[in-house]
Amino acid sequence: QKEVEQNSGPLSVPEGAIASLNCTYSDRVSQSFFWYRQYSGKSPELIMSIYSNGDKEDGRFTAQLNKASQYVSLLIRDSQPSDSATYLCAGSGPSGYSTLTFGKGTMLLVSP
Amino acid sequence: DVKVTQSSRYLVKRTGEKVFLECVQDMDHENMFWYRQDPGLGLRLIYFSYDVKMKEKGDIPEGYSVSREKKERFSLILESASTNQTSMYLCASSPRTVPGQYFGPGTRLTVT
Repeated sequence: QKEVEQNSGPLSVPEGAIASLNCTYSDRVSQSFFWYRQYSGKSPELIMSIYSNGDKEDGRFTAQLNKASQYVSLLIRDSQPSDSATYLCAGSGPSGYSTLTFGKGTMLLVSP
Repeated sequence: DVKVTQSSRYLVKRTGEKVFLECVQDMDHENMFWYRQDPGLGLRLIYFSYDVKMKEKGDIPEGYSVSREKKERFSLILESASTNQTSMYLCASSPRTVPGQYFGPGTRLTVT
């Protein structure tokens, strides 16, 4: 059974700080990982994907993957109040026929 | 940009009614998905489809059916709506080559 676990939060950080969101998964078959941002009342928006061990940077976002430890993280630098949202971590198998297994999300609150 | 649209943002139906939720994507994606999202339960996969006329059960298919007659369109059908089907329904699509999914805006369905 694939599982993706996230701390529900809320994670509170001041504006300008680095927010660190973490995710662990239980299935060693999972190959690809995705981070989604979901504002209250809205649908999830894909913000980052990572497929191999290491770091991947995109603007203020950095995704980190450690397959040996089964650990995925999302760092948000220079956090802004507009980053306040729930962040969902999702993992999938190796092919385009794979479904995603979602965590329940971590709520991030960035205070001005 | 990927565009996934859903037929209604808000819908109110009575118990026992047959309900149709429509989803259309304009990016020629092979894969389409239907989820429901409830507080504390996260995203749960109802049905998915890898190709026209193909369908696969997700984690919670009971009480639902789907139809995919055209590549761009994936419909979710509640045969006889019940109050426990009150939820946010989210459609998503992805290309065959990459499992990352793109979500529509969602339909908040209330069954009274």
